[in-house]
Amino acid sequence: IAGITQAPTSQILAAGRRMTLRCTQDMRHNAMYWYRQDLGLGLRLIHYSNTAGTTGKGEVPDGYSVSRANTDDFPLTLASAVPSQTSVYFCASSLNGGVFANTGELFFGEGSRLTVL
Amino acid sequence: KNQVEQSPQSLIILEGKNCTLQCNYTVSPFSNLRWYKQDTGRGPVSLTIMTFSENTKSNGRYTATLDADTKQSSLHITASQLSDSASYICVVRENYGGSQGNLIFGKGTKLSVKP
Repeated sequence: IAGITQAPTSQILAAGRRMTLRCTQDMRHNAMYWYRQDLGLGLRLIHYSNTAGTTGKGEVPDGYSVSRANTDDFPLTLASAVPSQTSVYFCASSLNGGVFANTGELFFGEGSRLTVL
Repeated sequence: KNQVEQSPQSLIILEGKNCTLQCNYTVSPFSNLRWYKQDTGRGPVSLTIMTFSENTKSNGRYTATLDADTKQSSLHITASQLSDSASYICVVRENYGGSQGNLIFGKGTKLSVKP
């Protein structure tokens, strides 16, 4: 069982370019999340989806967009990358989210390291 | 504002020694608290969950405590091993539903175990 798969594992990107980080889960979890992790700031929520077809904004959504066309996939798109988006991005899932989250363990992918020059 | 504060920020100990990591939170209403372990270059993995009624819970050499009155939790590692070197993240969930998942993350404690 793979769990959460992220791609690419790392990428160097020129500022202004468009980039999509891919995330796939095989646990049939309803909720999925994108976090960025920066030194000294910890994990911060970018966007989330409590169920296929719905998405919501987290703490730091500006410059990012997501879609949730099906249960398994939750891509994160940077429409026009800027250097401040240099970070490590983690996709995560949980069985349920929102009001049904209950004890809600998060399962994380291995991360995508993005450098914007 | 709901916050989770972890201390120390970093810690270096010798293999075989014990250590305790602290997590203080102001999250209210409180639902549960999880400790995650994040190895370098990997994603976080849940170690244990503490709910309101639980005071202590063990997972091998890891023992978590919770004092809901003082809003403090600790993670005690016994007989540390080199593989314990990691960041430990405290995550508190609010006790009501919401579209954002209502998780408040600490910034983590970076533990280095030296031989």
